Amino acid sequence: EVQLVESGGGLVQPGGSLRLSCAASGFTFSSYEMNWVRQAPGKGLEWVSYISSSGSTIYYADSVKGRFTISRDNAKNSLYLQMNSLRAEDTAVYYCASGYSYGDDAFDIWGQGTMVTVSS
Amino acid sequence: SYVLTQPPSVSVAPGQTARITCGGNNIGSKSVHWYQQKPGQAPVLVVYDDSDRPSGIPERFSGSNSGNTATLTISRVEAGDEADYYCQVWDSSSDHHVVFGGGTKLTVL
Repeated sequence: EVQLVESGGGLVQPGGSLRLSCAASGFTFSSYEMNWVRQAPGKGLEWVSYISSSGSTIYYADSVKGRFTISRDNAKNSLYLQMNSLRAEDTAVYYCASGYSYGDDAFDIWGQGTMVTVSS
Repeated sequence: SYVLTQPPSVSVAPGQTARITCGGNNIGSKSVHWYQQKPGQAPVLVVYDDSDRPSGIPERFSGSNSGNTATLTISRVEAGDEADYYCQVWDSSSDHHVVFGGGTKLTVL
């Protein structure tokens, strides 16, 4: 079964750091581009970051640029999001997502999400 | 940056047709994808590349895209279709690259 499972969310104080992980299984992870997408409570979907299959190309949303770092370990079938200098507005459910069957940017695989709460 | 505009809400009676629009500058030149999201769940891809359906998605879901508007059409709406729907594009000309619309809450009356 093709699956993505996020972990690492939790409660963190403003200015703090957190590292999210996304474990992939059931497919050849190293062949697929990956993304992080977040959703603040009661709000819509917001794309956060993209990484190419090899890790050589990376993009960020303006809202997280300079604070978040996306990376991947293809040997471990894992995607990461290092989040630094966290703000209250970063509070959200964070999903990892990928275009598996229908094109790189049509996300048909999503994890269940991990909640990040930034609060003092 | 590229902006996608959706109506906040659409209401429809069971058995009728729901149309959810997604507006963007020359969106007809881009591939539009649509997602359904129910409370507490991850989004599900229901239409990709403007009008194609992923495996397992009912034929009641269809899409179109032309000019400045893309449309998701749900025929013979059922109670189970009540959800939030999001359009999405890849915009290579923008730093944002992946752009989501603000979402539309579909209410089945």
